[in-house]
Amino acid sequence: NAGVTQTPKFRVLKTGQSMTLLCAQDMNHEYMYWYRQDPGMGLRLIHYSVGEGTTAKGEVPDGYNVSRLKKQNFLLGLESAAPSQTSVYFCAGGQGSQPQHFGDGTRLSIL
Amino acid sequence: GQQVMQIPQYQHVQEGEDFTTYCNSSTTLSNIQWYKQRPGGHPVFLIQLVKSGEVKKQKRLTFQFGEAKKNSSLHITATQTTDVGTYFCAVGSSSGTYKYIFGTGTRLKVLA
Repeated sequence: NAGVTQTPKFRVLKTGQSMTLLCAQDMNHEYMYWYRQDPGMGLRLIHYSVGEGTTAKGEVPDGYNVSRLKKQNFLLGLESAAPSQTSVYFCAGGQGSQPQHFGDGTRLSIL
Repeated sequence: GQQVMQIPQYQHVQEGEDFTTYCNSSTTLSNIQWYKQRPGGHPVFLIQLVKSGEVKKQKRLTFQFGEAKKNSSLHITATQTTDVGTYFCAVGSSSGTYKYIFGTGTRLKVLA
């Protein structure tokens, strides 16, 4: 039982490049979330999804897009990476008010 | 907008000392969750509190939800080196959807 799996685990990009982070879950979670974690800032919600085919903006959505074409996958895209997007990105899955299960994170550096 | 304050930001304790972190919200909460993140790891769920004045215990950890459901605390008795990490509270958004706002966390260091 893999739980919540994020790929890749590490990535270095140049400013202006694009990339997609993949989150896959096998726990049948309805809700999925993308967070970014910066030193001293805690976890900030970027986008989330309440079900297949739906997405919504969180606290810090600018510069990111998401898609949830299948229930088990939640993709986070950076169209034109900026140094301010250097961060650790966490995906999580949940069922309404139930606990969230997090992936191991993706460490992204943008030069 | 909804704000969640968590204090202190850092805490260094000697092994065996007690530790407490506090989470305060600007609005009345429906529930609150607590997570622990070990250095280099991901947040792991500890507990959820729902009822006003609720107190729950997990071994040396005691969690409390305020009577007004606007604050919560996590207390660790006789800390051990395995308690090292960052403790986050997460509160349900006042918008009604199942999205959570995380506190900034309290980083605990335990000196042996």
